[in-house]
Amino acid sequence: GIQVEQSPPDLILQEGANSTLRCNFSDSVNNLQWFHQNPWGQLINLFYIPSGTKQNGRLSATTVATERYSLLYISSSQTTDSGVYFCAVPNSGGGADGLTFGKGTHLIIQP
Amino acid sequence: DAGVIQSPRHEVTEMGQEVTLRCKPISGHNSLFWYRQTMMRGLELLIYFNNNVPIDDSGMPEDRFSAKMPNASFSTLKIQPSEPRDSAVYFCASTTMVYTEAFFGQGTRLTVV
Repeated sequence: GIQVEQSPPDLILQEGANSTLRCNFSDSVNNLQWFHQNPWGQLINLFYIPSGTKQNGRLSATTVATERYSLLYISSSQTTDSGVYFCAVPNSGGGADGLTFGKGTHLIIQP
Repeated sequence: DAGVIQSPRHEVTEMGQEVTLRCKPISGHNSLFWYRQTMMRGLELLIYFNNNVPIDDSGMPEDRFSAKMPNASFSTLKIQPSEPRDSAVYFCASTTMVYTEAFFGQGTRLTVV
């Protein structure tokens, strides 16, 4: 099956810092999702981004499908950004048959 | 829409007991997925349904696990008998089959003692 690797596994930053999280995947995909798992365990949708760049406030994401990677940018970090960030890609068939998740990047924002 | 709704949020049970987890997908979504999250294995797909029909249950770890979707607005995941190694967070997610952005419920944290 498809493999998903995320880096770095852990990241500790001061409030106000910027960060870039990376997601590499082993095969062609036609969509990709980024999630934030908050300290209460909820999986929150950040981006559904098959290709190109999207922005939502302080967060943006870029997927380069031809090179099999995606990047998540967090600017001006806040303590509420802490948690685990996952990327996920379809097992096959565009996502109608479920997602394969990376192991996540554990982000800690210190005040 | 209220999103994907799971119940209970937390479940503590004794080894050997039957456990039933419940999920209500987003209205209009016709694909439903059950995932399990553990420290060792991360998030893994257990089973999914399209139009209430189970399509692939190859991720179900053992015969002790079963899932049903009797109608478009309700699904259950049952573990019988439960074992301590089943302790995990179980998530339900739903999508449409055309626009496949997945939305997750809040999860059920299962502890088997």
